[in-house]
Amino acid sequence: DQQVKQNSPSLSVQEGRISILNCDYTNSMFDYFLWYKKYPAEGPTFLISISSIKDKNEDGRFTVFLNKSAKHLSLHIVPSQPGDSAVYFCAASRQGGTSYGKLTFGQGTILTVHP
Amino acid sequence: DVKVTQSSRYLVKRTGEKVFLECVQDMDHENMFWYRQDPGLGLRLIYFSYDVKMKEKGDIPEGYSVSREKKERFSLILESASTNQTSMYLCASSIGTERPYYGYTFGSGTRLTVV
Repeated sequence: DQQVKQNSPSLSVQEGRISILNCDYTNSMFDYFLWYKKYPAEGPTFLISISSIKDKNEDGRFTVFLNKSAKHLSLHIVPSQPGDSAVYFCAASRQGGTSYGKLTFGQGTILTVHP
Repeated sequence: DVKVTQSSRYLVKRTGEKVFLECVQDMDHENMFWYRQDPGLGLRLIYFSYDVKMKEKGDIPEGYSVSREKKERFSLILESASTNQTSMYLCASSIGTERPYYGYTFGSGTRLTVV
């Protein structure tokens, strides 16, 4: 049962345009969401996060939007740069109990930004 | 610079061998995790540990075991390697049960091939 889904395996964008990566989740207990970026032969690195009490969080060129009613979040990258080409993973967590900060990840989306 | 170090970048093992993957973190983190990354499936949690000698099964523990004798070290053991365990293995750590504002710190991964 895939609780976090990234339905687009890949996305191709021209340099300077906007990249929009999407993520859906099914577990209503999730209350914190993160995006990670992964280059080949490297571990994923944290990019940006959002708490369920917010609907938007911005950090430079990266903005994450959360729609709780739709159980959907998206990552916007503006403007896109060739160095943004990587695999992007959406992740979700829930607070407390025996969660121990476990993250549940989506399948990943391969972003390619063309010069 | 704080880090999570995985002992091997690439490993080739034979079917039926017992395989040890080692992970060490220098951040004094309580939680440590083992994931595997497969195309189209994203990152799936194998096991995690929230304290020394404590361990919990993740989503896909079958065929694996773990050991955490010291806080900084978390080992993943493939009891009898099989070809379907060919994958990229990622170790991660996180601090306590605090909200994962930055989530995990990942190692660079171990690419295991079982022949």
